[in-house]
Amino acid sequence: GENVEQHPSTLSVQEGDSAVIKCTYSDSASNYFPWYKQELGKGPQLIIDIRSNVGEKKDQRIAVTLNKTAKHFSLHITETQPEDSAVYFCAASLNTDKLIFGTGTRLQVFP
Amino acid sequence: DGGITQSPKYLFRKEGQNVTLSCEQNLNHDAMYWYRQDPGQGLRLIYYSQIVNDFQKGDIAEGYSVSREKKESFPLTVTSAQKNPTAFYLCASSIYGRSSYEQYFGPGTRLTVT
Repeated sequence: GENVEQHPSTLSVQEGDSAVIKCTYSDSASNYFPWYKQELGKGPQLIIDIRSNVGEKKDQRIAVTLNKTAKHFSLHITETQPEDSAVYFCAASLNTDKLIFGTGTRLQVFP
Repeated sequence: DGGITQSPKYLFRKEGQNVTLSCEQNLNHDAMYWYRQDPGQGLRLIYYSQIVNDFQKGDIAEGYSVSREKKESFPLTVTSAQKNPTAFYLCASSIYGRSSYEQYFGPGTRLTVT
């Protein structure tokens, strides 16, 4: 079955710097890759997603890139702000019935 | 105000007791999911339901049971057979039971069993 690895497990950046979180997946047939943000005491919330027919997608300060050959995808956050501090999860799916999540990255943005 | 509600936020039980976690959604979503979250392990799927009166086991279903008698409700029972029940439990729903549709999560229930 699909397996998703996520790195790093923790990431600390200064406000205004960029942050990059990377995930690799095992099943080359996976075709949907969402990213979720979980703030303290809350459930995860979708922030951006990408499908396998696209190499990059941007939404304001957030972007996701996908390399199908290498089977990895990354989340890029530019001009980080303290409110970006949260746990971020990547996931991969075959567009069937289950999402397989990575183990999460705790991002801390220091003012 | 549409969304997913989980109650209670914190739950304490003695070992050997069954406990039921509530999950209700008013989004008119077909699919509902239960995940378990442990530190450093991400979200692991317990059970999911793509339609009323039908549900499937996820990756860690042992020691858990569910029912889906109504579209808006998907309660999870943690039985005494679950070896390590202490965890944070998240319920989610999506409009259809395909993984490429956004999953909307509730605020979670933290269960502590002593």
